Amino acid sequence: NAGVTQTPKFQVLKTGQSMTLQCAQDMNHNSMYWYRQDPGMGLRLIYYSASEGTTDKGEVPNGYNVSRLNKREFSLRLESAAPSQTSVYFCASRGGSSYNEQFFGPGTRLTVL
Amino acid sequence: SQQGEEDPQALSIQEGENATMNCSYKTSINNLQWYRQNSGRGLVHLILIRSNEREKHSGRLRVTLDTSKKSSSLLITASRAADTASYFCATARNSGGYQKVTFGTGTKLQVIP
Repeated sequence: NAGVTQTPKFQVLKTGQSMTLQCAQDMNHNSMYWYRQDPGMGLRLIYYSASEGTTDKGEVPNGYNVSRLNKREFSLRLESAAPSQTSVYFCASRGGSSYNEQFFGPGTRLTVL
Repeated sequence: SQQGEEDPQALSIQEGENATMNCSYKTSINNLQWYRQNSGRGLVHLILIRSNEREKHSGRLRVTLDTSKKSSSLLITASRAADTASYFCATARNSGGYQKVTFGTGTKLQVIP
C-alpha cells in the first residue's frame, strides 16, 4: 500500500497561472481533505470530501476549487494563483469510523511569485 | 481561529529526559488526536483519545484528557534524538453530519543527544 500520494512535490508558479494538485489514496477511505500549512498557523482546512461525489468548503476555501474524481482521487485546483497561496499543501484521508485518524500525504511545496 | 493551541511553542531537552506538551481547546469534542511531523514531511498519527477517556498509553507516549478544563497533554518519556519533530494536537467534533478536525499550531521539540 502506498497510502496517500501527492503530485507534484514542488511547484513554482507565476501570479495568475493555474495548476492542479493531485492526491490519491489506496486505503478505500471515504473522506478526503486538503489542508495548507503556513509557518505559525498549523494546518488549515481548505476543502473536504466526506464521500465520493460530495465536496464542502473548509476554513480557507477562497481561491481554490476541488474535484472528487472517484473514491481514490481528490484534486485541488488553483485557477489564478496569488502570492498569498504560497504554502505547503497536504492531502489526507480518513476511514469511516468517528474514531479513525487521518493519514497524510508527503505534501506539495508551492511558491507563487 | 484555531481550535487547539499547543504550549509551549518550542521545547528543547536533553536525551533521556521527559517532554511534556499541552493542548487547550475551546468547544466540546468527540476525540482528540496527537500527530507528529518531521521536518519537510507529512503528519503521522500518534495516538487518539476519546472524549470519555482520561488517559491513554502507547509505548513511550502518555496522553491525558481533561474535558472539564478543555485540555490535553502529551508526555514522551525517555526522549531520544529521533523524537525531534513538531507535535500537533487535533480536535475532532461532529458538525453537520461531518467530523470536523481542527489542528493546533504545534510544539517544536528538539532533543539534544
